[in-house]
Amino acid sequence: DGGITQSPKYLFRKEGQNVTLSCEQNLNHDAMYWYRQDPGQGLRLIYYSQIVNDFQKGDIAEGYSVSREKKESFPLTVTSAQKNPTAFYLCASSTTATSGIQYFGPGTRLLVL
Amino acid sequence: GENVEQHPSTLSVQEGDSAVIKCTYSDSASNYFPWYKQELGKGSQLIIDIRSNVGEKKDQRIAVTLNKTAKHFSLHITETQPEDSAVYFCAALASGGYNKLIFGAGTRLAVHP
Repeated sequence: DGGITQSPKYLFRKEGQNVTLSCEQNLNHDAMYWYRQDPGQGLRLIYYSQIVNDFQKGDIAEGYSVSREKKESFPLTVTSAQKNPTAFYLCASSTTATSGIQYFGPGTRLLVL
Repeated sequence: GENVEQHPSTLSVQEGDSAVIKCTYSDSASNYFPWYKQELGKGSQLIIDIRSNVGEKKDQRIAVTLNKTAKHFSLHITETQPEDSAVYFCAALASGGYNKLIFGAGTRLAVHP
């Protein structure tokens, strides 16, 4: 089955700790995205990647980092510089960087201990 | 900057009734408007979308209408069923450059049997 997978489903972070959220897609999509969702708010773009080995900051990139070494994978690291990391994180992909249809993974809920 | 406003934030209907969710966007050059359904603990699923060259699109019990002059678009669900209960997000594709979606804050729809 083709799709987008995210792991883990729940993740706990301690103070000062970096954590990495996984996102994998087997749709052969060029573009991938990371969003953050907070209660009562729409999804906000953290980072996006139009093609392998390229990525750009979104609207709320501070405290986050990404890599795109493989077409299928776009991991997101929440660093200790992100002071309010508790949120629901969604990964998405689209055929190309100019194609409007984005397909989402099931999400990872990050909680701070 | 680009903005999408979504109303209402919560909506409660009886099974069989219709539900309408409205969104207003600010970027007059936006030309693509998707709607996503997010069920508890799941990622967001694209349920219908519309491009600016049409005014209405229908898919079984779901329809979307677009008024470009007024810069608003609406989701209509007829004959609602309990499984329609979810959070619905509208989005507008920002103009100029990459595939950036601007999301509304979401509407929590509850369909009561």
